[in-house]
Amino acid sequence: GENVEQHPSTLSVQEGDSAVIKCTYSDSASNYFPWYKQELGKRPQLIIDIRSNVGEKKDQRIAVTLNKTAKHFSLHITETQPEDSAVYFCAASEWNFNKFYFGSGTKLNVKP
Amino acid sequence: DTGVSQDPRHKITKRGQNVTFRCDPISEHNRLYWYRQTLGQGPEFLTYFQNEAQLEKSRLLSDRFSAERPKGSFSTLEIQRTEQGDSAMYLCASSLSPGSHEQYFGPGTRLTVT
Repeated sequence: GENVEQHPSTLSVQEGDSAVIKCTYSDSASNYFPWYKQELGKRPQLIIDIRSNVGEKKDQRIAVTLNKTAKHFSLHITETQPEDSAVYFCAASEWNFNKFYFGSGTKLNVKP
Repeated sequence: DTGVSQDPRHKITKRGQNVTFRCDPISEHNRLYWYRQTLGQGPEFLTYFQNEAQLEKSRLLSDRFSAERPKGSFSTLEIQRTEQGDSAMYLCASSLSPGSHEQYFGPGTRLTVT
C-alpha cells in the first residue's frame, strides 16, 4: 500500500517569512495530492491540491509543487501570517479517489 | 445544509462494550469516507462508500469494525468489543464525484475507551 511521509513535524517561522513542508510517497499509481489545514480542535480543511499532470499550482500565498519522478511534493506558504499557524497534512490518492493516505502532519507556528 | 455532521461528538465507553457512530454527509455527496485520527497523527483511512456500496476497506481494519451506508445517505460505523486502543477521533468525510473530489470533513466523534 501507499506510504506517505511528511517532514518536518514542527516548523517555527517569523511572520512574513516563507514556510515549506515536504512529503514523499511510495506508490507510483498515486496521482492526486491534496493538502489540508487543521486548526486546533477543528476539522481538516482542504487548502490546495494538485494532480499528477501538473507540476505546480498556486493560490495566492500558497503553492504546491510535484515531482513525480522523485515521488515528492511540497507545500509553500509565502508571507506567513499568525493565522497560518495550524497543523498541515499532505495526502495521496490514486486516480479513483477511493483511498486517501495522509502524512503525519506538520505543526506550523508563525511567530508575530 | 451546513456541512458534514457526526453524532455523537464524544463517547466514553467501557472496554468490551459496542459503540455506533453516525455520519450525515453533505446531501448531494455520493462519496463517504471514514478515518481514525490519534493525537499527533494524520487521519488513517478506514473505509470508503460510493453511494451505498462499500468499495474499500483498510486491510488494517479489525473485523470488530463494521460500517454501513444503507440508503446511500447517512453512514454508521460500529465498533464491537471495544479496546483501549480504539480510543481516537473518528472522522467522516464526504465528496462529490464527478467533481472536484474535495473532501469535506465532519467535526469527528471522540471515543474514549476506559
